[in-house]
Amino acid sequence: GQSLEQPSEVTAVEGAIVQINCTYQTSGFYGLSWYQQHDGGAPTFLSYNALDGLEETGRFSSFLSRSDSYGYLLLQELQMKDSASYFCALRNYGQNFVFGPGTRLSVLP
Amino acid sequence: DAMVIQNPRYQVTQFGKPVTLSCSQTLNHNVMYWYQQKSSQAPKLLFHYYDKDFNNEADTPDNFQSRRPNTSFCFLDIRSPGLGDAAMYLCATSPSAGQETQYFGPGTRLLVL
Repeated sequence: GQSLEQPSEVTAVEGAIVQINCTYQTSGFYGLSWYQQHDGGAPTFLSYNALDGLEETGRFSSFLSRSDSYGYLLLQELQMKDSASYFCALRNYGQNFVFGPGTRLSVLP
Repeated sequence: DAMVIQNPRYQVTQFGKPVTLSCSQTLNHNVMYWYQQKSSQAPKLLFHYYDKDFNNEADTPDNFQSRRPNTSFCFLDIRSPGLGDAAMYLCATSPSAGQETQYFGPGTRLLVL
């Protein structure tokens, strides 16, 4: 099977940089995605890594290391509106999407 | 605007009474997914369709069924809802099987009395 682990909560202040980690166990996968979900809302796609390395999309960057079974989402210049839950997700070779348990980010003024 | 639409946003049903949730998309995407999300938990994949090819996740209860009559519409049928089926049900789409980006609808929150 496959499993993903994330910290349950992270707190940071406005303007800061925060890193949300994701470790996983799987027999094989296409890539690691990141989604943001505000309370009561639907998940929205943020970033995707098929290959090792860093992908940058505006204030958000995502990193993957297949050799370490590890990835992270980096949020820069934090804003209050970034307070949300963040999920890593992978699509395994069985074509199934599996989401991590989610990290709740609280941005303080 | 192209989008994923779920109706209703809130659905109340009685224990054991069949209920159907609907999803439609104007994105003309080939792939559609149904997820169940319980409070403070991750979305859990129930089914997905690659066009008309139906894929049932191994641990999806038999109580849950799905239909996709055409590209635009997909339905989730819960034959005999139990109290444990109360959750947010999310529909998502992807352009094709190799695409990683999923576009989620707003979800239907199901309450079972």
